[in-house]
Amino acid sequence: SQTIHQWPATLVQPVGSPLSLECTVEGTSNPNLYWYRQAAGRGLQLLFYSVGIGQISSEVPQNLSASRPQDRQFILSSKKLLLSDSGFYLCAWSRLGAGTGELFFGEGSRLTVL
Amino acid sequence: KNEVEQSPQNLTAQEGEFITINCSYSVGISALHWLQQHPGGGIVSLFMLSSGKKKHGRLIATINIQEKHSSLHITASHPRDSAVYICAVRASGGSNYKLTFGKGTLLTVNP
Repeated sequence: SQTIHQWPATLVQPVGSPLSLECTVEGTSNPNLYWYRQAAGRGLQLLFYSVGIGQISSEVPQNLSASRPQDRQFILSSKKLLLSDSGFYLCAWSRLGAGTGELFFGEGSRLTVL
Repeated sequence: KNEVEQSPQNLTAQEGEFITINCSYSVGISALHWLQQHPGGGIVSLFMLSSGKKKHGRLIATINIQEKHSSLHITASHPRDSAVYICAVRASGGSNYKLTFGKGTLLTVNP
């Protein structure tokens, strides 16, 4: 069966520090991968998606970047965090080519920038 | 611009009650998702539908494409159903990878 893991689950970082959130998927190959952010009182916002190794699409301009160094690994990064980067970040995957396919989410990472 | 509106924002029920959560959207869609987010934050996909009705255990999801409206029903609600329920849609002809999410409905079921 397929599983998705992301870490760390909780992170408290000072403004200006770097960030790295990691997500891995097991039990499937060539997944579509996504990073979402959920800010307090707002709906989920798609940040990045990837259809293959090294292929990243950004949905909104921001202080964050994403990379996909391996087929089932998706990393969310920042060189210098801002207060506005605080939020709940969720990694998700769906089957490649299934644009209307079901999404499977990781457990989420709660980031607080102080 | 695609808007997704959920109602109510908050819902409190007694165990055993029948629950309905509504979702309305503004553009043509290719799929609608219902998601469940538990207090810890993890999200589980409940349903994905593009027409008609789907049932899984005590959960039922319906969609009316003409009226651009979907409902999620929970029969014989239980405290373990307490969670945030999120509606999300994928617009027809839009990016295959982009969903627009509602803000969620917080359901609390009291014993």
